[in-house]
Amino acid sequence: DGGITQSPKYLFRKEGQNVTLSCEQNLNHDAMYWYRQDPGQGLRLIYYSQIVNDFQKGDIAEGYSVSREKKESFPLTVTSAQKNPTAFYLCASSANSFLRDRGTEAFFGQGTRLTVV
Amino acid sequence: EDQVTQSPEALRLQEGESSSLNCSYTVSGLRGLFWYRQDPGKGPEFLFTLYSAGEEKEKERLKATLTKKESFLHITAPKPEDSATYLCAVRPGNQFYFGTGTSLTVIP
Repeated sequence: DGGITQSPKYLFRKEGQNVTLSCEQNLNHDAMYWYRQDPGQGLRLIYYSQIVNDFQKGDIAEGYSVSREKKESFPLTVTSAQKNPTAFYLCASSANSFLRDRGTEAFFGQGTRLTVV
Repeated sequence: EDQVTQSPEALRLQEGESSSLNCSYTVSGLRGLFWYRQDPGKGPEFLFTLYSAGEEKEKERLKATLTKKESFLHITAPKPEDSATYLCAVRPGNQFYFGTGTSLTVIP
């Protein structure tokens, strides 16, 4: 089955610790995205990547880092510099459209819930 | 500035009571408006893509429509299993901009 796999489903982080969230897709999509979801705030973009070896900061990139070494994979590291990391993290992917006025939809993984302990 | 606003924030319906959810947007060059359904603790599930004013899409009890400034998600004769948060998003370029969603509860 084609889709996006996020792991782990639940993650606990100690103060001062870096943790990495995994996101893998087998949809052959070029674009991948990381969002953070907090209650009442909707989805906020952390980082996105349109192509391998390239990525762009979103609205809330501070305290996070990413890499895009393979088309299928877009891991997110939550560093100790992120002061309030407890949230629900969502990874998504989409195809890059070749039509100027037609963007394609994004598909999401099932999320990782990160809690600071 | 690209922006998406959804209303109402929360909606409670009796089973069978039809209603509509609203998604208003301001965007510089719309390349698609997207509707998603999200269940608690899960990732959003894609429902519809709309591109042009006047376009409509249907799936079971859901119908999405689009004008130049807003989109509506009409729910006809809802059932309890339609309870979820419904998100809309726009894509003016490479990024997606999401609204904060409407939490729908359908009471048996």
